[in-house]
Amino acid sequence: EDKVVQSPLSLVVHEGDTVTLNCSYEVTNFRSLLWYKQEKKAPTFLFMLTSSGIEKKSGRLSSILDKKELFSILNITATQTGDSAVYLCAFRGATNKLIFGTGTLLAVQP
Amino acid sequence: GAVVSQHPSWVICKSGTSVKIECRSLDFQATTMFWYRQFPKQSLMLMATSNEGSKATYEQGVEKDKFLINHASLTLSTLTVTSAHPEDSSFYICSARLAGGAGELFFGEGSRLTVL
Repeated sequence: EDKVVQSPLSLVVHEGDTVTLNCSYEVTNFRSLLWYKQEKKAPTFLFMLTSSGIEKKSGRLSSILDKKELFSILNITATQTGDSAVYLCAFRGATNKLIFGTGTLLAVQP
Repeated sequence: GAVVSQHPSWVICKSGTSVKIECRSLDFQATTMFWYRQFPKQSLMLMATSNEGSKATYEQGVEKDKFLINHASLTLSTLTVTSAHPEDSSFYICSARLAGGAGELFFGEGSRLTVL
């Protein structure tokens, strides 16, 4: 059965810290892995990764995929309180459906 | 671009009534839309895949007669929760994939349903 596991489930840091969120997966016919940020409502798109070893970067956020070891990480540097959210990773397989992990709840304290 | 609008954003209804939720892609055509359900502090669970002009494909365990999905045009999909019960109270989110795009999903704002 395809599955996506995220860790840690929750994380509390102080402003300015750097955090690394993990996403591991067991899927058949992997096509892409996506990261989303969810605050109070619907998720907002962050990154889509399809190739191993190529870092995607957007401001203080970056992500990379390792297709051999079947995981991805999302890094956030110099965290701010506005980064507090649930971060979701999801994979897309041959069926084109997005299957989500359980999410990591990040709380950034002032 | 790639804006998905969902309506209503919240709804309260009595047990036994039916509720319709609309999902519209405002500035692009979406041949495929997805409906998710999210319980508090849990992740998004895929309910069904909605394809324009054809029947929706439901995930295992999702009752198709209870959650009616219609995708009548390239910009509109609707989810109707029929004979709603308190256990149907949840956050329902739709998403759409840009036709011809790279595969990322764009989400609506979600609809919070409370069944009394």
